Amino acid sequence: DSGVTQTPKHLITATGQRVTLRCSPRSGDLSVYWYQQSLDQGLQFLIQYYNGEERAKGNILERFSAQQFPDLHSELNLSSLELGDSALYFCASSDRGDTQYFGPGTRLTVL
Amino acid sequence: AQTVTQSQPEMSVQEAETVTLSCTYDTSESNYYLFWYKQPPSRQMILVIRQEAYKQQNATENRFSVNFQKAAKSFSLKISDSQLGDTAMYFCAFMNPLQGGSEKLVFGKGMKLTVNP
Repeated sequence: DSGVTQTPKHLITATGQRVTLRCSPRSGDLSVYWYQQSLDQGLQFLIQYYNGEERAKGNILERFSAQQFPDLHSELNLSSLELGDSALYFCASSDRGDTQYFGPGTRLTVL
Repeated sequence: AQTVTQSQPEMSVQEAETVTLSCTYDTSESNYYLFWYKQPPSRQMILVIRQEAYKQQNATENRFSVNFQKAAKSFSLKISDSQLGDTAMYFCAFMNPLQGGSEKLVFGKGMKLTVNP
C-alpha cells in the first residue's frame, strides 16, 4: 500500500459525459501528479500540482482539467468523453519531488 | 525530449533464477533520476528501485539491483532468486527534476516478465 488513495476504482460512462476522479496523496506530500495509461499511448504524464498550484502540464487534452484543494487532495475532471478516453488513470504523490508513489488507479470505460 | 526504450517486450524465467531487464534512455542532462516500476496483474504501479544519476554506486533493494552505465545511457534491472510474485509488467522511467519545474516521469513501453514454477 503506497498510501495514495484513488476513487472510484472503476467508472463506466457514456460518450459525451463528464466524470471526476479523486486522489488523496500520502500524508505530508505536497505534489500530486496525474498519468494516463492506455494500450496505444502507454503511460503518459498529464498534469502536476504542487501545494494547490499547477506546476506543469503534459499531454492533457483541453477537455480535461484538474485542481488541488487546500487539504491537498486532487480531482481530475474529464468532460465530453470519447471512446478513446477509456484508460487507467493514475495519481501519484511525492514529498521532495524525487520519488513518486502511485495510487491504485481508476479504470475508466467510455461506452 | 527525453526518451526511454525497453527493447525486450517480453521475457520468461524459471523460479529461483536470475533475470536482467534492459533499458536505455536518451538525455542531454547530467542530473536526473531513473526508476523501475512494477505493475502486477492488479495494475498497481509499485516502485522497485531508484537511481540518482550523480551517484556512481548502483542501487540495490534486496533481490533487485541495477547496472547503471551513465556514459552508455543504460539502466538495467537484475532480479535475483526470481519468485512467482515477480510476474508483472516492468517499466523503466526517467525524471529530470529541473525540466521546466516539473518532476514528470517519462516511461518506457514496459516489458512483461513471467516467472515459471
